[in-house]
Amino acid sequence: KNEVEQSPQNLTAQEGEFITINCSYSVGISALHWLQQHPGGGIVSLFMLSSGKKKHGRLIATINIQEKHSSLHITASHPRDSAVYICAVRLEKSGGSNYKLTFGKGTLLTVNP
Amino acid sequence: GAGVSQTPSNKVTEKGKYVELRCDPISGHTALYWYRQSLGQGPEFLIYFQGTGAADDSGLPNDRFFAVRPEGSVSTLKIQRTERGDSAVYLCASSYGGGQPQHFGDGTRLSIL
Repeated sequence: KNEVEQSPQNLTAQEGEFITINCSYSVGISALHWLQQHPGGGIVSLFMLSSGKKKHGRLIATINIQEKHSSLHITASHPRDSAVYICAVRLEKSGGSNYKLTFGKGTLLTVNP
Repeated sequence: GAGVSQTPSNKVTEKGKYVELRCDPISGHTALYWYRQSLGQGPEFLIYFQGTGAADDSGLPNDRFFAVRPEGSVSTLKIQRTERGDSAVYLCASSYGGGQPQHFGDGTRLSIL
């Protein structure tokens, strides 16, 4: 079982719809990242959070540490939001530091006009 | 340049050959990470540098893989005796320090024939 699970794997929406992508993890973490990957490979970091909620434009990310769950929301979705959205976590490590990321498999979002 | 630069963007070579992949991080970033992304999967951690030293190389799959960062800036990922299973997109990221948001390059798409 992967340490980071995302759902859904694929999501198709109509322009203007409210979108939610979910991420669950099974281990203790020190931070969680949401990343966006467009065709061709380039990855952009959207959010890094360890508690609560962050908002940037039409994007909102929330995390519930007790439930080991995070969500990425996109309001008023647009075709240019079409991309793969990836959840990644930085695992807690006892007795030292751990800075590498462990990634989910990603959610392919397609927003149709 | 303003972002993380990876060269080449594409590399096609024959099984058994040696390859070098280069990463030029954002100026001033002391932390550098290499990840590998197979088709349809999330990236997987390979190695993390803090300055010139490899602080965590636990993700390197075997001794055919090696990475260096001799002056604490540019890093080279080296793969000996390449195998078809090494085909993937190799991603590099850098950050101001461990635990800071990571900035990704566009990756090198490696194809082993």
